[in-house]
Amino acid sequence: GQNIDQPTEMTATEGAIVQINCTYQTSGFNGLFWYQQHAGEAPTFLSYNVLDGLEEKGRFSSFLSRSKGYSYLLLKELQMKDSASYLCAVRAGGAGSYQLTFGKGTKLSVIP
Amino acid sequence: GAGVSQSPSNKVTEKGKDVELRCDPISGHTALYWYRQRLGQGLEFLIYFQGNSAPDKSGLPSDRFSAERTGESVSTLTIQRTQQEDSAVYLCASSFSFAAGELFFGEGSRLTVL
Repeated sequence: GQNIDQPTEMTATEGAIVQINCTYQTSGFNGLFWYQQHAGEAPTFLSYNVLDGLEEKGRFSSFLSRSKGYSYLLLKELQMKDSASYLCAVRAGGAGSYQLTFGKGTKLSVIP
Repeated sequence: GAGVSQSPSNKVTEKGKDVELRCDPISGHTALYWYRQRLGQGLEFLIYFQGNSAPDKSGLPSDRFSAERTGESVSTLTIQRTQQEDSAVYLCASSFSFAAGELFFGEGSRLTVL
């Protein structure tokens, strides 16, 4: 099975930078994803890492270390609309069968 | 349509009844996923399809749950003899292929079992 851990809640100030960590334990690792989910809405894709290193996309960056089973999502220049849950998801498996397992999500509150 | 479409958006049913939830993925997407999300909880994997085949059914909670996909398009998730613990939002997502990075989610079907 897979085990994915991320903090339950975080609070940060508008305009600041926040880092949301995710650790995982799995076999047959095949990629790590970050999704954003606003309350009452469906998740939307933010980023995908399959190799070690940093992927940058505008205000959002995601980092992966496969050897450490660790990823983080970095949000810069926080805006009020960034208040949402951020879901870390790991794809793993093999032999043509993969499962995308989500963590429980980190609820981020951005305050003025 | 342009996105993943799910129906019904809301379903209230009595304990013991059967329900069927439908998902229309984005045209051309070969991979289709079903997840369950209980109130305030994370996404729980149920099943995924590659084409019309389901390589991994390990997430289905019990034999009351079944799913099928036809024509590499529409999928239905059926819950027989519903129980109160089945109450949740059932989310469907599709991707271009099972190797693709991005899943596109529908708005979900909210099921309430009384």
